[in-house]
Amino acid sequence: GAGVSQSPRYKVAKRGQDVALRCDPISGHVSLFWYQQALGQGPEFLTYFQNEAQLDKSGLPSDRFFAERPEGSVSTLKIQRTQQEDSAVYLCASSPRGREAGGIQETQYFGPGTRLLVL
Amino acid sequence: AQTVTQSQPEMSVQEAETVTLSCTYDTSENNYYLFWYKQPPSRQMILVIRQEAYKQQNATENRFSVNFQKAAKSFSLKISDSQLGDTAMYFCAFMKLRGSQGNLIFGKGTKLSVKP
Repeated sequence: GAGVSQSPRYKVAKRGQDVALRCDPISGHVSLFWYQQALGQGPEFLTYFQNEAQLDKSGLPSDRFFAERPEGSVSTLKIQRTQQEDSAVYLCASSPRGREAGGIQETQYFGPGTRLLVL
Repeated sequence: AQTVTQSQPEMSVQEAETVTLSCTYDTSENNYYLFWYKQPPSRQMILVIRQEAYKQQNATENRFSVNFQKAAKSFSLKISDSQLGDTAMYFCAFMKLRGSQGNLIFGKGTKLSVKP
């Protein structure tokens, strides 16, 4: 079946531009995570959705970062007024259930990532 | 705060040999999960193996096994009969249960090269 897809795969932005990164999770998956992976580092958590509800946004580095999942499926991560330090790979992951359904430990299925380069 | 440390930035192993990747973590939690994820070059990250902290028995998945030492906060991954397809970045990850929605805390990774 189809896995997690992300678009675009690569994005070059000039400093100060706004960008929008899209994630299509596996169909029916309740949980959706966004991670940021800087060069040579492990992924770092940004935000979590359970269906359309954003239950944790503690990892968002600044108020320039905004994420949404309005219909509980596709999610968009938006970065306003991009800075050079925003250059990274942005990973999306989904899992079948949420915490209340006992699914907190389930496998997270990752997308291929969007590589963002801010010049 | 929880931290995950992978002290081996790069490792190499001959095909068919065994290799062990190290991971240590720091937490005050008693209940948590530990994971090893594999990120092949230019491909998606996939789960290799998971361990529940309250289970003493070490997890095993085919050629992959872990050595979980809870008191020492150590969680190493052993790959037996290494294959060329095992070449990848390997990330150790921690997930606490209390007050968590399931987000993972990753180490910096170990780049494993399997040589023919």
